[in-house]
Formats: sequence, C-alpha cells, structure tokens
Amino acid sequence: AQRVTQPEKLLSVFKGAPVELKCNYSYSGSPELFWYVQYSRQRLQLLLRHISRESIKGFTADLNKGETSFHLKKPFAQEEDSAMYYCALRGPYYGGSQGNLIFGKGTKLSVKP
Amino acid sequence: GAGVSQSPSNKVTEKGKDVELRCDPISGHTALYWYRQRLGQGLEFLIYFQGNSAPDKSGLPSDRFSAERTGESVSTLTIQRTQQEDSAVYLCASSLDSYEAFFGQGTRLTVV
Repeated sequence: AQRVTQPEKLLSVFKGAPVELKCNYSYSGSPELFWYVQYSRQRLQLLLRHISRESIKGFTADLNKGETSFHLKKPFAQEEDSAMYYCALRGPYYGGSQGNLIFGKGTKLSVKP
Repeated sequence: GAGVSQSPSNKVTEKGKDVELRCDPISGHTALYWYRQRLGQGLEFLIYFQGNSAPDKSGLPSDRFSAERTGESVSTLTIQRTQQEDSAVYLCASSLDSYEAFFGQGTRLTVV
C-alpha cells in the first residue's frame, strides 16, 4: 500500500538558515510525488512536483528512489515561508486514469526573525 | 466559478444530526477527492472519485460517512448521526490531469 511519512510535525528555524522538510514514501512502482503548501488562511496549493524538477520560491526537492525519499529543501529560509507543508504521492493508475492522491501528516514550518 | 467551491463554509450541528457537505469541482475535472483535516492534524483521505470508475472509499472512517458524485460534477459528503469527533475541516479537491489538484476553501464542521 502507498504511504507517505513526514516525521517532523513542527520545524522551527531562524530566517536565513537552511531548511529541510523530510518526506519518505512507500510505494510499489514508479511514484509521482508532490509538495503542497498551506499558508495561513489560504487554500492548500501545489508547491512543486518531482517530474518538473523545478525550483519554486527557492524550494527544491529531489526524488531519491534508493532511500524512498523526497525531501524539500531551501538554502535560506524566509519568514514568508512559514506555513504547513504536505508531501503527497499519487497512487496507482487503473483503466488509464490518474490514481488517488495520498498525503502525509504535514510539517509546520516556522521561520523566526 | 474558476475554482473549487465548497458549501457551506461553516456548519454547526447538534450531536446525532445528519449533515451534508457540498463540493463543486472545476468544470471538466474528472477526479474529485475528499479529505478531513482535524485541528492541528494533517490531511486524512476519505474518498476519491475518478470519472465513471467505482470510487475508492477506503478512507471513510465509518459507515456513518458516505459520498456521492453526479457524473463529473457536484459531490456531496454525508455524515449521519454526527459525533463530536467528526468536528473538522472537510476539504474537497479536483484535478484533470496527473499533475495538480486544486482545493476548495473547506467546510468547517463543528458538532456540539
């Protein structure tokens, strides 16, 4: 069964410090992995996806199949990065359709001035 | 509208009553998801609809919970005989392709 684990419930760093939000997954196959973010009083929204290999708002995430990880990183945290971050995995396809979207429990990032 | 719309935004109900939550997905989106977000907790998967396929109901916590979707449009999540532990924000999301899911603003349910 597919599973997403975010071991840290809360991560607190100072502005300008590097940040890494951990995500490990369990999946039998080639996964599609995502990071979603929820800023205070805003809707949950996509931050980045592994297939795009992009950097959004200074964040990057690399899929490591050997370690089954998809950690989110930023070299210099900013106060506006404070938010709830969710790692997500798209499950198996069936009948040619997209699969289910499973989320981890989330990590609350707090960036202090 | 351009985004996923959920109604009501807030719902206060008495323990034991039934409630119905509504989700209007983005037009044309074939996939629709329901999640529950308890205070201070993460996203808990409830149910997933994909086109005309049988829904994935594996996340529904009890038989008091059910959901329907009419074709590729509106979905309703029904909670019967509500309990205080049902208090949470219920989130709906829809997606078209295999990339991005768009979320609604959620329905905050309070059972008193």
